[in-house]
Amino acid sequence: EAGVVQSPRYKIIEKKQPVAFWCNPISGHNTLYWYLQNLGQGPELLIRYENEEAVDDSQLPKDRFSAERLKGVDSTLKIQPAELGDSAVYLCASSLSVAGHGELFFGEGSRLTVL
Amino acid sequence: QKEVEQNSGPLSVPEGAIASLNCTYSDRGSQSFFWYRQYSGKSPELIMFIYSNGDKEDGRFTAQLNKASQYVSLLIRDSQPSDSATYLCALNSGYSTLTFGKGTMLLVSP
Repeated sequence: EAGVVQSPRYKIIEKKQPVAFWCNPISGHNTLYWYLQNLGQGPELLIRYENEEAVDDSQLPKDRFSAERLKGVDSTLKIQPAELGDSAVYLCASSLSVAGHGELFFGEGSRLTVL
Repeated sequence: QKEVEQNSGPLSVPEGAIASLNCTYSDRGSQSFFWYRQYSGKSPELIMFIYSNGDKEDGRFTAQLNKASQYVSLLIRDSQPSDSATYLCALNSGYSTLTFGKGTMLLVSP
């Protein structure tokens, strides 16, 4: 079974430029998450989707970040414009919404460097 | 605010020893607790989860939960150099969203 797939793995951009990350969850997983991980920190939730609905986006900086999950499968996270402080790893994860205990499975992450 | 506290380490143990990783949390409504392992430059991978008080064993790993003390731990028996990684404690308060601690770095020396 294929795991969570993310792209690109690495992205280097200059500040004020836009950037987008793509995620394909594990087949059949209804719940999709975007987490942000800074160096030396644990992952922090940005947004959670149940199918195509964003059910928790309280931590998403909406002035510059946006996300979508069309058709309830793939998802895209966008930053526009990027700032120096956005340099981090952006992790996508998925889970079965009826898993009971919420086990998350992570993709390899997209490492963003903003110069 | 749900908080998960972990000692950042590093925790250094010799090969073959028992490594004990600890985690405390603030939200008494937390229902499930997870341990993830994260190698440098890699994404977190699930080791095990626990939701009932007591111990849960899986191979060389044992998770321990004490809800009254709001404490969860992970024991790694017969530690190997390949166990050297950052261990993330996470909790689920019932909405399928995990809140993570900052992680404890474990170093196992040969």
